[in-house]
Amino acid sequence: EIVMTQSPATLSVSPGERATLSCRASQSVSSNLAWYQQKPGQAPRLLIYGASTRATGIPARFSGSGSGTEFTLTISSLQSEDFAVYYCQQYNNWPAFGQGTKVEIK
Amino acid sequence: EVQLVQSGAEVKKPGESLKISCKGSGYSFTNYWIGWVRQMPGKGLEWMGIIYPDDSETRYSPSFQGQVTISADKSISTAYLQRSSLKASDTAMYYCARSHEYSNYVYVYWGQGTLVTVSS
Repeated sequence: EIVMTQSPATLSVSPGERATLSCRASQSVSSNLAWYQQKPGQAPRLLIYGASTRATGIPARFSGSGSGTEFTLTISSLQSEDFAVYYCQQYNNWPAFGQGTKVEIK
Repeated sequence: EVQLVQSGAEVKKPGESLKISCKGSGYSFTNYWIGWVRQMPGKGLEWMGIIYPDDSETRYSPSFQGQVTISADKSISTAYLQRSSLKASDTAMYYCARSHEYSNYVYVYWGQGTLVTVSS
């Protein structure tokens, strides 16, 4: 079983600042990594797949990088609508999600 | 427009059974995998399993194998999640989601969720 660990658990950022979220896999998942955004009371929304490919309609301020066991989601300039919980998900093996990073307003 | 519409909230007693539905529209239902994801109150996402509606091939997470049954009726473009002998710990939001063309395990379209409450 591959375990996904996200850090930090909570990230406090001011609007307009850059946010960097990390996701680590307990073993290599190659580039089989997706990122989702979830706002309160809503279903998750796919942001990134293949570690770095933005899903349709996702703004360019969202970018993903990494391969193997270390991955990063970067939001270049946080907008008010970006404050949410972010999950990484590996799908190299049976899919597994990280525990989430909450991005909150500083 | 692709849509997944799930059945409404359920309140069940321990020991009862559950079957929730997920109806797809706006795309060819038989050509994409449907996955189920659990989210317990205040917690993260857990992948439960998937089904390919065309032939009903299913794959379960080891954590949920034997605990739930995923099925589909392609004639009405609907997938189902069943659980028998419910426990309080089954209280959660359950989401269905349609796979991306890229991978069976990446989910681009999601249902609105079905809240299941199990309480005596």
